[in-house]
Amino acid sequence: KAGVTQTPRYLIKTRGQQVTLSCSPISGHRSVSWYQQTPGQGLQFLFEYFSETQRNKGNFPGRFSGRQFSNSRSEMNVSTLELGDSALYLCASRLYSAIYNEQFFGPGTRLTVL
Amino acid sequence: DAKTTQPTSMDCAEGRAANLPCNHSTISGNEYVYWYRQIHSQGPQYIIHGLKNNETNEMASLIITEDRKSSTLILPHATLRDTAVYYCIVRAYSGGGADGLTFGKGTHLIIQP
Repeated sequence: KAGVTQTPRYLIKTRGQQVTLSCSPISGHRSVSWYQQTPGQGLQFLFEYFSETQRNKGNFPGRFSGRQFSNSRSEMNVSTLELGDSALYLCASRLYSAIYNEQFFGPGTRLTVL
Repeated sequence: DAKTTQPTSMDCAEGRAANLPCNHSTISGNEYVYWYRQIHSQGPQYIIHGLKNNETNEMASLIITEDRKSSTLILPHATLRDTAVYYCIVRAYSGGGADGLTFGKGTHLIIQP
């Protein structure tokens, strides 16, 4: 079974631009979560989607948004990019009905904001 | 979620058992202990989880103390590929919920040849 895939793997943008990242979960997984990882703050939860609905959200500004499609694929968007948005963005999928929080992570998208 | 405390870094010789401790003294009765690891520049990888009994899988063993206030992840025969940051996470059952995992700083395990 294929793992979680994320595209693109690397991205360079300038301040003020917006960016869209894509995530394809493991087949059959209906929940997709997004995390941001920076050297200073570590791994931080952004939001989770299930059945095209955002179920929970971390403490990030409204510039960070996402959506999920009917095939469970998910995108996240960051508008008006700031230098501090430079980070590794990780996507994780899981079975919604799993009794434990075993999440399967993708390789991440490394975003650099200049 | 209960707070966890892990050493910042540890060394282990290749071929030996690596024992990674985690303190979670404020853990609640319905909270599980999960372990993930992150190899440099990759996404985190689930290793193992447990509630109160010791657990073993093909990757590792998890030993939870009787009072559940601490646990130890054991990699029985460490290899160079086990060099990674290991995260101990305490989390309640969330079958119907949609909550993110809270990752701390973790332990940077370095396997020495």
